[in-house]
Amino acid sequence: DVKVTQSSRYLVKRTGEKVFLECVQDMDHENMFWYRQDPGLGLRLIYFSYDVKMKEKGDIPEGYSVSREKKERFSLILESASTNQTSMYLCASTLQGKGSQHFGDGTRLSIL
Amino acid sequence: GENVEQHPSTLSVQEGDSAVIKCTYSDSASNYFPWYKQELGKGPQLIIDIRSNVGEKKDQRIAVTLNKTAKHFSLHITETQPEDSAVYFCAAPNNAGNMLTFGGGTRLMVKP
Repeated sequence: DVKVTQSSRYLVKRTGEKVFLECVQDMDHENMFWYRQDPGLGLRLIYFSYDVKMKEKGDIPEGYSVSREKKERFSLILESASTNQTSMYLCASTLQGKGSQHFGDGTRLSIL
Repeated sequence: GENVEQHPSTLSVQEGDSAVIKCTYSDSASNYFPWYKQELGKGPQLIIDIRSNVGEKKDQRIAVTLNKTAKHFSLHITETQPEDSAVYFCAAPNNAGNMLTFGGGTRLMVKP
């Protein structure tokens, strides 16, 4: 079974801090994704990576950046955290050309 | 880009009744439609998907129907059980098939 692991289940940070969310997958998937989940808004794509060191902006990239130095690891970075970035963050991965995505269990991030 | 709308946002049914969740999409080129179930504290998990060359697919108590002309697809759960209580998401891919756009989610509550 595919395993997508997010490093933290809960995280509390302060406004202005630089925040790193880490995601690792163990199935050699090319594509990895970061979403944020807010009530009534579903899952919104922040960034997507289709290969090492490659990235594409999703629907809501503002205030975020990403890093993919190794195939199995995809990091989401909040350069200067703000309270409106309090949310559930979900990482997913998939094989190139395959539609179905495999998700981690999420990181609930609170910015105070 | 793709636009996916999902209804209803909440659905409450009695155990044993059927539940239906509907989604519409905008991009007529979309050809793959997955459904995800998200239980409390977990990431979304794929439960069923359908490709555009078929109109219906069943897996035990779950079925999905697709109407390409009208650009809508639906999830049907029969003989609902309390463990079906969760948030359900529909999705549709972009043209390249490497990204998914998600609906806003449906919170299903099955009352014993």
